[in-house]
Amino acid sequence: KQEVTQIPAALSVPEGENLVLNCSFTDSAIYNLQWFRQDPGKGLTSLLLIQSSQREQTSGRLNASLDKSSGRSTLYIAASQPGDSATYLCAVGSNDYKLSFGAGTTVTVRA
Amino acid sequence: DGGITQSPKYLFRKEGQNVTLSCEQNLNHDAMYWYRQDPGQGLRLIYYSQIVNDFQKGDIAEGYSVSREKKESFPLTVTSAQKNPTAFYLCASETGTANTGELFFGEGSRLTVL
Repeated sequence: KQEVTQIPAALSVPEGENLVLNCSFTDSAIYNLQWFRQDPGKGLTSLLLIQSSQREQTSGRLNASLDKSSGRSTLYIAASQPGDSATYLCAVGSNDYKLSFGAGTTVTVRA
Repeated sequence: DGGITQSPKYLFRKEGQNVTLSCEQNLNHDAMYWYRQDPGQGLRLIYYSQIVNDFQKGDIAEGYSVSREKKESFPLTVTSAQKNPTAFYLCASETGTANTGELFFGEGSRLTVL
């Protein structure tokens, strides 16, 4: 069974600092990996989708890398802003067509 | 605008009552999903549907039921058999099928049992 872990559970940084969020998974036989943002009491918003054949995806200040062999993905957010404060979740799609979510990392960017 | 609409946003239920959460999408997606979110845990899959008139149990289907009579609609009923129904419920649809595409979520419905 795929296990997805996001450490740390919470992170606080000053505005302008780069954010590095980690996602690790136990089974490297994955189909894709998706990063989401969730604001308090809201649904999830898709940020980046990485297919298993890709090493990274970029969108604006966001960059996500994928290393299947080590079972890791990292989400980088450059020059963080208070508006980046949210919970960030990763979800791993496995080759058996199941999707496993991490519990998320809650980010606070201090002005 | 295209998207997923969940209603109601907040719902209170008495012990022994069934309640139905609505999920409507106008994205023309075939696949739709219901997830449950509890504090400190990852999302857990309740039911999913890859096509109209077909749906499958997820990891925690006990005490829940669904229907998929129309492509746009995938309502979830929380029955009195669900022992711990207080949670945040999220509906999603997918650009592909069977978790091969990108997921889009609604704003969620928070159910509280009184």
